[in-house]
Amino acid sequence: GESVGLHLPTLSVQEGDNSIINCAYSNSASDYFIWYKQESGKGPQFIIDIRSNMDKRQGQRVTVLLNKTVKHLSLQIAATQPGDSAVYFCAETGPGTYKYIFGTGTRLKVLA
Amino acid sequence: GAGVSQSPRYKVAKRGQDVALRCDPISGHVSLFWYQQALGQGPEFLTYFQNEAQLDKSGLPSDRFFAERPEGSVSTLKIQRTQQEDSAVYLCASSLLTASGYTFGSGTRLTVV
Repeated sequence: GESVGLHLPTLSVQEGDNSIINCAYSNSASDYFIWYKQESGKGPQFIIDIRSNMDKRQGQRVTVLLNKTVKHLSLQIAATQPGDSAVYFCAETGPGTYKYIFGTGTRLKVLA
Repeated sequence: GAGVSQSPRYKVAKRGQDVALRCDPISGHVSLFWYQQALGQGPEFLTYFQNEAQLDKSGLPSDRFFAERPEGSVSTLKIQRTQQEDSAVYLCASSLLTASGYTFGSGTRLTVV
């Protein structure tokens, strides 16, 4: 079936550096993408989203890039902080649907 | 409430036991979703409610799983005759509109022994 996958299961970065988390999606019909952050023992927390009519969206310290040509999504975190340590999931959904398809996640470790 | 509330936070069940997991969505949220998250995996869709109507239950793994939302607010996910493979975190999410981002609860971690 259609799926959303991630290239790197674990990413370690130094505090203060920028982080880039990548995601490949397989459903070319998907038109809405979301990044979630999940800390241990908590539910996924919405970070940022992007629709397919955009290729970049910025939030506070976070930027999401969408490349529809190669079906690739990335999350950039500027000046990574210890509080950013968590598992990050990308999710996708298609037009007229409400089901999110999640990838398996990338664990981000911030080194002091 | 301010967020999506789920109870219990942890549940240990003996194989064959029935369990009921509760979700209190954000007040006024029309859409409610249940997802199942296995260890180290992303959440997987189970079922969707719009108000009290269960519009999609295609993700429920077997007929042992049943969900309801009788008054369009609180929802209960029931699992009958639990099996070890049912062990997972069960996440509830709600949203004001179907197409908007979900707000997830903290989940119920179910362990079947």
